[in-house]
Amino acid sequence: EIVMTQSPATLSVSPGERATLSCRASQSINIYLAWYQQKPGQAPRLLIYGASTRATGIPARFSGSGSGTEFTLTISSLQSEDFAVYYCQQYKSWPTFGPGTKVDIK
Amino acid sequence: EVQLVETGGDLIQPGGSLRLSCAVSGFTVSNNFVSWVRRAPGKGLEWVSIIYSGGATYYADSVKGRFTISRDNSENTVYLQMNSLSADDTAVYYCARVPTGGSLGNYFDCWGQGTLVTVSS
Repeated sequence: EIVMTQSPATLSVSPGERATLSCRASQSINIYLAWYQQKPGQAPRLLIYGASTRATGIPARFSGSGSGTEFTLTISSLQSEDFAVYYCQQYKSWPTFGPGTKVDIK
Repeated sequence: EVQLVETGGDLIQPGGSLRLSCAVSGFTVSNNFVSWVRRAPGKGLEWVSIIYSGGATYYADSVKGRFTISRDNSENTVYLQMNSLSADDTAVYYCARVPTGGSLGNYFDCWGQGTLVTVSS
């Protein structure tokens, strides 16, 4: 099983600031990585797939990068609706998710 | 518009069984890959099972032998039969679609709102 880790567990950011979230895979997954956003009581929402391709309707302030074992999700200027939990997921083999990074208001 | 609606969650005693349903609209289950993913209280997301368009089914090790995924093409619905339930199965269960028939890999572009399964005596 490919184990995914995320850091930090919690990120406190002020609106308008930049947020950088990290995700690491226990072995190389090429670019088979997706990012999701989840708010309380809501379903996860696909943000990024293929490590860097934005899903349909996702604002340009969300960007993904990385390959192999190290990945980054960047939110360039946090809006109020962006405070949520973010998960990475590998799909090189059977899907596994990271434990999540909670982005909250500083 | 693509929609997935899960139903069937309940409070169930350890050792019991439950069947979850995922009613789909906006696409056909017979031509797509559909998965179940769960989120236990205070924990992250865990992939549970998937059914491919061709009918093949796969399971996470944690549920293999206890859970069965199936579908009814006429009802455009995917099911998850869960047997021998334990407290570790307590979670919100989501169904989710894999885009492009899985040609780019098993990630999930559309999700339902989830249904809560609580296993407790």
